[in-house]
Amino acid sequence: NAGVMQNPRHLVRRRGQEARLRCSPMKGHSHVYWYRQLPEEGLKFMVYLQKENIIDESGMPKERFSAEFPKEGPSILRIQQVVRGDSAAYFCASSLQAATNEKLFFGSGTQLSVL
Amino acid sequence: KQEVTQIPAALSVPEGENLVLNCSFTDSAIYNLQWFRQDPGKGLTSLLLIQSSQREQTSGRLNASLDKSSGRSTLYIAASQPGDSATYLCAGGLNAGNMLTFGGGTRLMVKP
Repeated sequence: NAGVMQNPRHLVRRRGQEARLRCSPMKGHSHVYWYRQLPEEGLKFMVYLQKENIIDESGMPKERFSAEFPKEGPSILRIQQVVRGDSAAYFCASSLQAATNEKLFFGSGTQLSVL
Repeated sequence: KQEVTQIPAALSVPEGENLVLNCSFTDSAIYNLQWFRQDPGKGLTSLLLIQSSQREQTSGRLNASLDKSSGRSTLYIAASQPGDSATYLCAGGLNAGNMLTFGGGTRLMVKP
């Protein structure tokens, strides 16, 4: 049973380009969470999705960032017109249920570097 | 708004020592408290999850406690090994959606 798969592992973009980060949750998991780890900072919650629904996006910047988790395929975190401040490690996590006592399983992350 | 703080930020110990990592949180209305391990360049591995109704959880050489009234959790590592070297993160869950608030982590180095 493969774990949470994120790709690419490293992504380099120039300012103004678009970044697309993909996350395939563990088999059978329908709850996906995106977190961002800025340099020298802790992980910050961005968005929580279930299949085809955004449940909570309170941690997502209001502009340029969007996320989706379609019925088929991986979850996508999309950053439009990237800026240097977007450089960070983006982690995806999944869980079987949204219950309060479900463990989260994390992917290895995507390191985004904006030149 | 929940805030999670971890002390110390870094810790270096000789192999074999027992050690305690500290985590404090500001909102006692916590659903659960989780401890994770993060190795350089890697994702997070869940170590222990303590439900709000529990006081502690144990897994092998690891023991985590939760005191909601004082807003504290500790992770006890017995007989530390060089392979335990990593960053340890605690995270509090405030609601049923499993959205976690993370502390800044404690970077642990266990020297052979």
